[in-house]
Amino acid sequence: GDSVTQMEGPVTLSEEAFLTINCTYTATGYPSLFWYVQYPGEGLQLLLKATKADDKGSNKGFEATYRKETTSFHLEKGSVQVSDSAVYFCALSAPGGGADGLTFGKGTHLIIQP
Amino acid sequence: SAVISQKPSRDICQRGTSLTIQCQVDSQVTMMFWYRQQPGQSLTLIATANQGSEATYESGFVIDKFPISRPNLTFSTLTVSNMSPEDSSIYLCSATTPQSSYEQYFGPGTRLTVT
Repeated sequence: GDSVTQMEGPVTLSEEAFLTINCTYTATGYPSLFWYVQYPGEGLQLLLKATKADDKGSNKGFEATYRKETTSFHLEKGSVQVSDSAVYFCALSAPGGGADGLTFGKGTHLIIQP
Repeated sequence: SAVISQKPSRDICQRGTSLTIQCQVDSQVTMMFWYRQQPGQSLTLIATANQGSEATYESGFVIDKFPISRPNLTFSTLTVSNMSPEDSSIYLCSATTPQSSYEQYFGPGTRLTVT
């Protein structure tokens, strides 16, 4: 079945550092790919998405590119802030999206120190 | 977008009892889902809540243990039956909207502890 593997944390960085959180997936066809974020005390929010190969999703300075050849969707940010401290989940849905639930990675706890 | 509320936000229950969790969305939605997040683990899809018909369960989850209702487009319930300590988890409801079929909006979750 489908699966998502992401680097496990916690990942601790200093403010203004460069961030990469790795995510790879196993799925048939061309799934849709997502990054969700859970800030302390809040619910899950969609951070960005990509629905086809070579698409780049971006939001709030975060980016991720759908790489079919490496089955990856790594999350990057050029300069992190303390407010980026949260848990980040990589997820996928079956091709076409919408009608199916999501398959999540285990989540990466990101801690940004001032 | 859609705003999802869940009740209760948390509960502590004794083994052998049942708890029903409610999920309410503030706007029309298409799909509704229920997930479980066990301590230190990722989210696992329990089932898709279908309006007016039986829910569609994922492998490892059965209707007798997790009965689900969806009487209308914006409301669903999940019951955790005959609870054991292994059911201690966060249970989350999510939904998609007609305007954005790819994005799932999540509720704040219900934190269940079974003693």
